[in-house]
Amino acid sequence: DGGITQSPKYLFRKEGQNVTLSCEQNLNHDAMYWYRQDPGQGLRLIYYSQIVNDFQKGDIAEGYSVSREKKESFPLTVTSAQKNPTAFYLCASSIGWTGSYNEQFFGPGTRLTVL
Amino acid sequence: DAKTTQPPSMDCAEGRAANLPCNHSTISGNEYVYWYRQIHSQGPQYIIHGLKNNETNEMASLIITEDRKSSTLILPHATLRDTAVYYCIVRASFGNEKLTFGTGTRLTIIP
Repeated sequence: DGGITQSPKYLFRKEGQNVTLSCEQNLNHDAMYWYRQDPGQGLRLIYYSQIVNDFQKGDIAEGYSVSREKKESFPLTVTSAQKNPTAFYLCASSIGWTGSYNEQFFGPGTRLTVL
Repeated sequence: DAKTTQPPSMDCAEGRAANLPCNHSTISGNEYVYWYRQIHSQGPQYIIHGLKNNETNEMASLIITEDRKSSTLILPHATLRDTAVYYCIVRASFGNEKLTFGTGTRLTIIP
């Protein structure tokens, strides 16, 4: 049963703490993405990775970091430098980077609340 | 610098066709029109995409005007499970893979 998993579904952290959100896919996809969604808003791209051991900043990368050591995994760390980290975080993957048809598959999301 | 314009909300009666419009007047020749939807508190789901011809799949139909400046997503027989936010996105067929999500249309299916 292929797909993208994100854990945990809900996460609470104290202000000033770093927190890492997990994203795993077994679709054999090369490209992976992290988005942030605030209430009533669309998705904004944080980081993306076209291939293992490579990643690029998206539109709102400040205060976040990622790694891509394995094809299946693309964890996102929300650092204490992120001024407003409370949000809904979505991970996605696609077969590749280029091409006219690259449906992105999304995980169920992690709702992070910083107290 | 939104590339698409959608109405913020729409209602549709259950069993009727839901027609969701999208304006993309600045679309360029190499940009596709994609539709995704997001059911509350879930990740977005791909629906359909097209370049200039009308497209149909098991979920929906996509009608793109001849000048490509607007399109309509059609859900032929809407059910309560189709209640969601629908995003219309234009994206080039090569290079940058980014999907730029606007605020979409909140479609509510009325029983």
